[in-house]
Amino acid sequence: DAKTTQPPSMDCAEGRAANLPCNHSTISGNEYVYWYRQIHSQGPQYIIHGLKNNETNEMASLIITEDRKSSTLILPHATLRDTAVYYCIVRMLTGGGNKLTFGTGTQLKVEL
Amino acid sequence: NAGVTQTPKFQVLKTGQSMTLQCAQDMNHEYMSWYRQDPGMGLRLIHYSVGAGITDQGEVPNGYNVSRSTTEDFPLRLLSAAPSQTSVYFCASSKVRQGTYGYTFGSGTRLTVV
Repeated sequence: DAKTTQPPSMDCAEGRAANLPCNHSTISGNEYVYWYRQIHSQGPQYIIHGLKNNETNEMASLIITEDRKSSTLILPHATLRDTAVYYCIVRMLTGGGNKLTFGTGTQLKVEL
Repeated sequence: NAGVTQTPKFQVLKTGQSMTLQCAQDMNHEYMSWYRQDPGMGLRLIHYSVGAGITDQGEVPNGYNVSRSTTEDFPLRLLSAAPSQTSVYFCASSKVRQGTYGYTFGSGTRLTVV
């Protein structure tokens, strides 16, 4: 699985958009970008994933650059409950035992 | 739907004791995995299973055993607990194709070995 690089921490004001970047310059053609988050002491929660097109669901939007070497997770209106560690993971959709390789992620702190 | 259920939520063991961490899912997911998380670190894969009767080692398998006799259950056994196994353990499951929902994680078991 390709390695990812994320900033260790970010701050965001409540109500504003939180933009979390991820670099994955060694991503291969059949690897997807997945985002999970982990709110303090809880199990990780799936947020969104994509291959090359931008994706949006009820939680967030995922913007993947045309060369697929980086992506941005966007929380459009961050709330205090979005304070969590956000993990960017690159992997194939199937195969490889469906393993997830977690890095250290980005600690997002949403403040009033 | 209960999702992924882990028991117990908390456990204290003495060095050398053995125990089993339970994990059950009711979503008919083929894939199940065990991760451990230590302070300030990301999750590390211990063991995983791609279906009943099939298991394989992850990144940090030493000191742990698993079995997958049914689709629903994937217990993790600590053979002889050591202080280095003090951690938070998460079980996760997914369909073969992760599709819309990716992996579903349990709420964790917090284990302390003294």
